[in-house]
Amino acid sequence: GAGVSQSPRYKVAKRGQDVALRCDPISGHVSLFWYQQALGQGPEFLTYFQNEAQLDKSGLPSDRFFAERPEGSVSTLKIQRTQQEDSAVYLCASSWGLAGENEQFFGPGTRLTVL
Amino acid sequence: DAKTTQPTSMDCAEGRAANLPCNHSTISGNEYVYWYRQIHSQGPQYIIHGLKNNETNEMASLIITEDRKSSTLILPHATLRDTAVYYCIVRTLGQNFVFGPGTRLSVLP
Repeated sequence: GAGVSQSPRYKVAKRGQDVALRCDPISGHVSLFWYQQALGQGPEFLTYFQNEAQLDKSGLPSDRFFAERPEGSVSTLKIQRTQQEDSAVYLCASSWGLAGENEQFFGPGTRLTVL
Repeated sequence: DAKTTQPTSMDCAEGRAANLPCNHSTISGNEYVYWYRQIHSQGPQYIIHGLKNNETNEMASLIITEDRKSSTLILPHATLRDTAVYYCIVRTLGQNFVFGPGTRLSVLP
């Protein structure tokens, strides 16, 4: 079956622009996670959804970062007024259980470059 | 902060076993050991996890010491496609995954 998909795969933004990154989780997966991965580092947790509810957003680095999952399926991570330090790969993961009880399946990521 | 320490990099000859160590000396009784790997330009991929007992699946084996302070991921017959960054993570069920920098495994022909 289809895995987690993300779009776009690559995004170049000028500093100050807003961007929206999309994640399509595996169908039926309850939990959805967003991570940020800087070059040469491991992924860092940003936020977690259980269905449409955002239960943990402790990893969001600033109020310029906003995530939503309005119908409990597709999720969008929005970054307003992008800065150069936002350049990273943004990974989405989903799992069928609650809050990380089960292994997470990751998408390929969106590589964001802010000029 | 990651609760594990791993070597920065390792090499392994193709066809040989790759043994990747992980130290987690502060692990608590209800924390599992998970292994993920990340091939270049892809998202992390789940490999295996365990609590106390050794585990084996179609990808790898996980050997956890009796005191649970360290573990080893074994890829029995490494191939070039196993070249990746391997992450060892300890967590309780429900906790977020905290990834460290991992071990960069290079499988050499």
